[in-house]
Formats: sequence, structure tokens, C-alpha cells
Amino acid sequence: DAGVIQSPRHEVTEMGQEVTLRCKPISGHNSLFWYRQTMMRGLELLIYFNNNVPIDDSGMPEDRFSAKMPNASFSTLKIQPSEPRDSAVYFCASSLRDTYEQYFGPGTRLTVT
Amino acid sequence: GQQLNQSPQSMFIQEGEDVSMNCTSSSIFNTWLWYKQDPGEGPVLLIALYKAGELTSNGRLTAQFGITRKDSFLNISASIPSDVGIYFCAGRYNTNAGKSTFGDGTTLTVKP
Repeated sequence: DAGVIQSPRHEVTEMGQEVTLRCKPISGHNSLFWYRQTMMRGLELLIYFNNNVPIDDSGMPEDRFSAKMPNASFSTLKIQPSEPRDSAVYFCASSLRDTYEQYFGPGTRLTVT
Repeated sequence: GQQLNQSPQSMFIQEGEDVSMNCTSSSIFNTWLWYKQDPGEGPVLLIALYKAGELTSNGRLTAQFGITRKDSFLNISASIPSDVGIYFCAGRYNTNAGKSTFGDGTTLTVKP
């Protein structure tokens, strides 16, 4: 299995620009999670989906952040407009709903200047 | 909300030494997970624990699910340079469905 795939691996953008991060979960997994990792705040859960439906988005920082999962094999996390404080590594993870083992992607390192 | 305290925050050890780290929670969990993160990569699952008192090994790694369900321990025996990285604990409770709470991580440095 290819594992969780994220793109791009690195993104550098200017403040105010729209950023879209992409994730392909492991085939057959029906839960998907978006995390943000920074030195100051560690790993934070932003949102997660079960069977393509958002279950808990309480970790989404503000309205500038949105996430979608149009089908079982694809999800996006969008930031519009981006700000320098959004700079972080964003991870996508997936799991089988009936187990608790999340498998993480390699992450997208976002830098907003 | 649920809080996880992971300690120590960092460790500097000599190759060959044993390592021990732990996580404690303000509330009970039904599942404990231990992950390792290498630089520039995502966390990788090492061990999953599903039952209070459970002791599980994965090679040189051993983890235990505390009887109180509020703590977990990870031990690494005979450390080697490739054990370097950040180790995270994560806990889950059923009513939170897919949601896990992560500790802040233990950064391990192994000197050859």
C-alpha cells in the first residue's frame, strides 16, 4: 500500500494568497484527519471525517480554514486568505473507523511570508 | 477537555542505554497509542494498547497501558542511533469517536 499521500510537500506563499493542501488516504480507510504541527502548540487536530462526512471541526482555527472530502479517496484543506501565523506542518492521517490506529502522511510544510 | 502530560520533554542518552518515557492523563482513556516522528516525516505508529494493564512489545520497544487507564509507559531497550526522534503518546476515549489527544512529545537524542 502506498500509505497516505499528501501534496505538495512544501508550499511557500505570500500573505493573503489562497492555499490548498491535498490528501489521499489509504485505500479502504473511512476516517480522515487533518492536523497542524508547530513548535509552540505541538500536534493539533483541526478536523476529521468519517465516511466523507465532517464529524468534528472544533479545531479549525477560524473561518479562513475550510476542509472538504468529496469522496473516499480525496480531501482538501484550504486557507483563504493565508497569514504568516498559519506557517506550520500540516498532516493528514487516515484510519479504519473500527480501529484506533491512525496512519499519517509525510506532511506539507507551509510557509506564509 | 482531556489533557495529556508527557515526560520527559527531552532525553540525551548514550547508545546502548535503556530509555523510559510516560504519559499521564487527567481523565481515563480506552486506548493508548505510541508514535515516533523522524525529522521531516509524519508520525509512525509504534504500539497500540487497548486494555488496562496490557503490556505489548515491538522489538526493543515495550509499552504498557496503566491499570488506572490514566497513564501509559514506553520503554526502549539497548538504544541505537536510529532511535533518535520525537516520541508521542496519544489517548482515545470511545465517545470521542475518531478523536485522539496527543502529548507534546519526548525528543530523544542518542549519542554513539
